[in-house]
Amino acid sequence: QQQVKQSPQSLIVQKGGISIINCAYENTAFDYFPWYQQFPGKGPALLIAIRPDVSEKKEGRFTISFNKSAKQFSLHIMDSQPGDSATYFCAAQGGSEKLVFGKGMKLTVNP
Amino acid sequence: GAGVSQTPSNKVTEKGKYVELRCDPISGHTALYWYRQSLGQGPEFLIYFQGTGAADDSGLPNDRFFAVRPEGSVSTLKIQRTERGDSAVYLCASSLTGVTEQYFGPGTRLTVT
Repeated sequence: QQQVKQSPQSLIVQKGGISIINCAYENTAFDYFPWYQQFPGKGPALLIAIRPDVSEKKEGRFTISFNKSAKQFSLHIMDSQPGDSATYFCAAQGGSEKLVFGKGMKLTVNP
Repeated sequence: GAGVSQTPSNKVTEKGKYVELRCDPISGHTALYWYRQSLGQGPEFLIYFQGTGAADDSGLPNDRFFAVRPEGSVSTLKIQRTERGDSAVYLCASSLTGVTEQYFGPGTRLTVT
């Protein structure tokens, strides 16, 4: 049972473009939704997070959009750069301390 | 300050052997988590410590897996009678009590031959 579904599995964008990653969840107890960035051979690094009381959160080039009624949230990366090439994971937490992760999306930004 | 550190970075062991993986959390972080990440997958929760006690071990796959945190800081994940299916990257994370942000270490890549 996959509690957090992430799409697409991979994405290729040109430098300067917008990268969009989507996630959907089922468990209504979830109340914290972080995004992690992972480079090969490294651990996941916290990028940005949101709680359901707001519909959008922006930090620099990264924006989370949250739709509570649809139980969906997404990450937008504006002005994508080659250095953004990594695997991105959405996650959810609520009702317990553990994070439940999506399967990840490999982003490639071409120069 | 220093982040979460994990040792060793890589561990190769033979099927049936015993292994120990170590995690040093961020100084002052009372909560510690272990996750396992298989190739091409997201991390999967194993166990959560609050201080010295295991508050949630619901993710441990079977009784071959055990973890301790005797002094509320460093934690060791112990795997007995390793199997090839145990091969994965084992990640440790820590957080402040009452704060949801979890910070991950670089992981230990375990290969069981």
